[in-house]
Amino acid sequence: ETGVTQSPTHLIKTRGQQVTLRCSSQSGHNTVSWYQQALGQGPQFIFQYYREEENGRGNFPPRFSGLQFPNYSSELNVNALELDDSALYLCASSLGGASTDTQYFGPGTRLTVL
Amino acid sequence: TQLLEQSPQFLSIQEGENLTVYCNSSSVFSSLQWYRQEPGEGPVLLVTVVTGGEVKKLKRLTFQFGDARKDSSLHITAAQTGDTGLYLCAGVDDYKLSFGAGTTVTVRA
Repeated sequence: ETGVTQSPTHLIKTRGQQVTLRCSSQSGHNTVSWYQQALGQGPQFIFQYYREEENGRGNFPPRFSGLQFPNYSSELNVNALELDDSALYLCASSLGGASTDTQYFGPGTRLTVL
Repeated sequence: TQLLEQSPQFLSIQEGENLTVYCNSSSVFSSLQWYRQEPGEGPVLLVTVVTGGEVKKLKRLTFQFGDARKDSSLHITAAQTGDTGLYLCAGVDDYKLSFGAGTTVTVRA
């Protein structure tokens, strides 16, 4: 059984560009959550997808969008990148979207915006 | 803005010493979780506490949940260098986790 994987590991972009980050869920998990972790901070919830539908969203602007595919892998897209978007982006998969379902985190993608 | 406040922000101790990390919330969550995160990795769940006054022990780690379910603590006995890492508490609310800023623990050999 493979755990949660994310790609790429590191990414450097410039302001105004667009970026797509990818996440493969743990086997059997149908829910993916995305978090942004700025340096020296805890992760902040961006949104969650359950069976290809957005299940909830945190306090992030619409230029942060996502997709979940039939195999339950997921993408996070960020448009019009800003310097403050520099962070570690984590995805976490779980069996379901309930509060009692444990979230398993991937290693993250480190995004640097110059 | 973090709903959960963790203290201290940094902690450096000698191997064999004890340490306690605190997590205080302005809100009541359905449960509270503690994670450890190492450099280059995602957070790994250590424990979930649900009931006010609950105490859970995992080997040398003891977790307490306050009676009002708004504060929690993590106590490590006889710390080892392998305990080094970022310790995060997170409030569980429906589908999302709300994390504190974390406590960076360094255990020196």
